[in-house]
Amino acid sequence: ETVMTQSPATLSVSPGERATLSCRASQTVSSDLAWYQQKPGQAPRLLIYGASTRATGIPARFSGGGSGTDFSLTISSLQSEDFAVYYCQQYNNWPLTFGGGTKVEIK
Amino acid sequence: QVQLVESGGGVVQPGRSLRLSCAASGFTFSNYVMHWVRQAPGKGLEWVALISYDGSNKYYADSVKGRFTISRDNSKNMLYLQMNSLRPEDTALYYCARDPDKYGSYNWFDSWGQGTLVTVSP
Repeated sequence: ETVMTQSPATLSVSPGERATLSCRASQTVSSDLAWYQQKPGQAPRLLIYGASTRATGIPARFSGGGSGTDFSLTISSLQSEDFAVYYCQQYNNWPLTFGGGTKVEIK
Repeated sequence: QVQLVESGGGVVQPGRSLRLSCAASGFTFSNYVMHWVRQAPGKGLEWVALISYDGSNKYYADSVKGRFTISRDNSKNMLYLQMNSLRPEDTALYYCARDPDKYGSYNWFDSWGQGTLVTVSP
């Protein structure tokens, strides 16, 4: 199976600062990568698909990049509502697999 | 708007069975592939199963293959997960999730329910 590795596990950032999260696949997934945001007690929310396409209603401060095995999610200026756990997910290979998550916390 | 509401979770002993349900509304359910995704307490997300829009195709994670069965009733806008031979490692919050592609499957998830908790314990 395709193992997705996210780093760092925890990212401490001050409001207004930029945050960059990484996701690496154990084999190529082309651009078949999605990002989700999950807040405590809530279901995940789709942010990005196709590695770089923002889902409906997602603010422009969220951007995704990469292809093949290395991907990133950048939040250009962190708002209070952005502190959450972020997961990447590949959908190029079976089974569908998620990364272990990156927690973005307030510094 | 899209709404997915799971039910049927609870506490069950190892080896027993449970059936989860997901009620869909706000979209034409019969046009969309649906998935189950689970999350063990304090852990990450794990894809469990997929069913095609018409129920003709089903795919499972190896960890549940042969024990879990995904099904749907398009006349009732309902998705199901029959879970047999439950194990402690099946303890998780189970989400139903919609695939964004009509009739096909993109295999990512654009809408999620709030989940139903399954606890497998003696």
